[in-house]
Amino acid sequence: DSGVTQTPKHLITATGQRVTLRCSPRSGDLSVYWYQQSLDQGLQFLIQYYNGEERAKGNILERFSAQQFPDLHSELNLSSLELGDSALYFCASSREQGDTQYFGPGTRLTVL
Amino acid sequence: AQSVAQPEDQVNVAEGNPLTVKCTYSVSGNPYLFWYVQYPNRGLQFLLKYITGDNLVKGSYGFEAEFNKSQTSFHLKKPSALVSDSALYFCAVRDLGYYGNNRLAFGKGNQVVVIP
Repeated sequence: DSGVTQTPKHLITATGQRVTLRCSPRSGDLSVYWYQQSLDQGLQFLIQYYNGEERAKGNILERFSAQQFPDLHSELNLSSLELGDSALYFCASSREQGDTQYFGPGTRLTVL
Repeated sequence: AQSVAQPEDQVNVAEGNPLTVKCTYSVSGNPYLFWYVQYPNRGLQFLLKYITGDNLVKGSYGFEAEFNKSQTSFHLKKPSALVSDSALYFCAVRDLGYYGNNRLAFGKGNQVVVIP
């Protein structure tokens, strides 16, 4: 167990809908990262937050957004969902920005 | 941009035999390299990392990795494979940005199958 928690574990929804994925980092970790894992794209970095501020953006669609709250938990919001958004979404956290990232168990999103 | 490549899709090895999972990297500057393992329906577990120092890095569960600068490789090794080592293995490189951000760029992953 890495100490990173993600909810929900599974999410099934329809095209056009909006969902929110939640991540709680390890105790004391200031940085949170979001990754998407799909069969065709592999593991891709989406976005990073450090102590509440956005620090890096990767291949994140405009329909997706995220934030990190004062208690350091993070949420990834996915809107206008499409079939191709079906994937495993991972959250990771690290103590500081340069440290090892520890991953949560992921949220499996299925868009029907 | 920094990147890693895992040339093989699947690695089959008999239980008790040495296991090697290959990774090559392409970076500007000094590479920060990682190995993670993913078991079915689980998240990624950190195995080991290379930042600087000894070229042989020891990690969790008996795994080690050898950093080779001349060959730009960072192969993962285990002297004696167990059936429980069957999983998906990812090599990754840290892409350090302007603010010290710390995204990881992953390889495509290698499925390791340890045959009893």
